[in-house]
Amino acid sequence: DSGVTQTPKHLITATGQRVTLRCSPRSGDLSVYWYQQSLDQGLQFLIQYYNGEERAKGNILERFSAQQFPDLHSELNLSSLELGDSALYFCASSVAAGGPGNTDTQYFGPGTRLTVL
Amino acid sequence: GESVGLHLPTLSVQEGDNSIINCAYSNSASDYFIWYKQESGKGPQFIIDIRSNMDKRQGQRVTVLLNKTVKHLSLQIAATQPGDSAVYFCAEAHGSSNTGKLIFGQGTTLQVKP
Repeated sequence: DSGVTQTPKHLITATGQRVTLRCSPRSGDLSVYWYQQSLDQGLQFLIQYYNGEERAKGNILERFSAQQFPDLHSELNLSSLELGDSALYFCASSVAAGGPGNTDTQYFGPGTRLTVL
Repeated sequence: GESVGLHLPTLSVQEGDNSIINCAYSNSASDYFIWYKQESGKGPQFIIDIRSNMDKRQGQRVTVLLNKTVKHLSLQIAATQPGDSAVYFCAEAHGSSNTGKLIFGQGTTLQVKP
């Protein structure tokens, strides 16, 4: 058990819908990262928050957004869902913000499997 | 329609043998590297990490080697066990960026034969 929790474990929805994925980081971790894992793209970085502020963005679609709350949990919102959004979504957390000499271990949650029908 | 998936390289080893999984990374400015193990239906599990100021680091039954000259990373698993069967990913963090985001390799499937 990494200490990172994600809910729900599975999510099945229809095209055009909106869903929210939730992540609670390990106790003491200030950074939260979201990654998408699909069959044809591997693990792709989406977005990072550090202590409530957006830190970095990857190739995250405009239909996707995220936030980190004062208690440090994070939510990833996916809207206008398409079939191609079906994937595993992972949250990871770490203590540090990252950068030169300031990157530390990221621990991953169990993931949310999203199926868009 | 036809579905296209990643064709992961596969390493098949006999139980008890040593395994070596290789990874080429892309950015010479990367200063942090990490290996994860992912079992089916689970999230990536941290195995070992190494910073660019080191060329070797050992853990329990695992060793990571870093060759910055050729931008190559390897994971050695001693006395491989059936429980080691999984997909292994290497990842790098770019030291020139102001983030800890990880760039992942495509992964290697390790199959351990009893």
